[in-house]
Amino acid sequence: GAVVSQHPSWVICKSGTSVKIECRSLDFQATTMFWYRQFPKQSLMLMATSNEGSKATYEQGVEKDKFLINHASLTLSTLTVTSAHPEDSSFYICSAPTIYRDRWYEQYFGPGTRLTVT
Amino acid sequence: GQNIDQPTEMTATEGAIVQINCTYQTSGFNGLFWYQQHAGEAPTFLSYNVLDGLEEKGRFSSFLSRSKGYSYLLLKELQMKDSASYLCAVFSGGYNKLIFGAGTRLAVHP
Repeated sequence: GAVVSQHPSWVICKSGTSVKIECRSLDFQATTMFWYRQFPKQSLMLMATSNEGSKATYEQGVEKDKFLINHASLTLSTLTVTSAHPEDSSFYICSAPTIYRDRWYEQYFGPGTRLTVT
Repeated sequence: GQNIDQPTEMTATEGAIVQINCTYQTSGFNGLFWYQQHAGEAPTFLSYNVLDGLEEKGRFSSFLSRSKGYSYLLLKELQMKDSASYLCAVFSGGYNKLIFGAGTRLAVHP
């Protein structure tokens, strides 16, 4: 099946610094990728939709200037958490949908990135 | 608005059968997914229903009724490794994205 990778798998950073998380589709092209955040014992909350070659679409309540998304190629999307604070500590997961008969079908999830801000 | 409801927690015995229900209200509907997620890991795909009826995959089955906005995931011959969170997600065509329920934490006991 399709594979999506994320890097790094975990990161610890100091408050006020920025952290970049990469999401790659390894064996298929993804014009769209999704970024989710998950707090402990909670479900996945969609943060934004990353579109190759255009601006990302952010969900209500997500600060676009704080969570910078760049989708520079058909296989790579990056999420940069700028000026991170302890409340940004979370599990960040990306996913990429596959296309079946010109319609989106299954989403493949990356393994996730555990961010801890101290 | 969009709303997906599923029970928060369930417990079951090894070897038994458990049914996890999911009800949804969304704008547009292009299918319903069930994912399994172990703690600290990403979700893994279990099933996809877009038409009414039952889809069977080994020990796992998923049912959909679009008119009732209802789905369930049926797990048979439960094993200890089935202890995980089960996420119901609706593919909302109007928004082109997956909307997740809060998830059901299933604990399987010997």
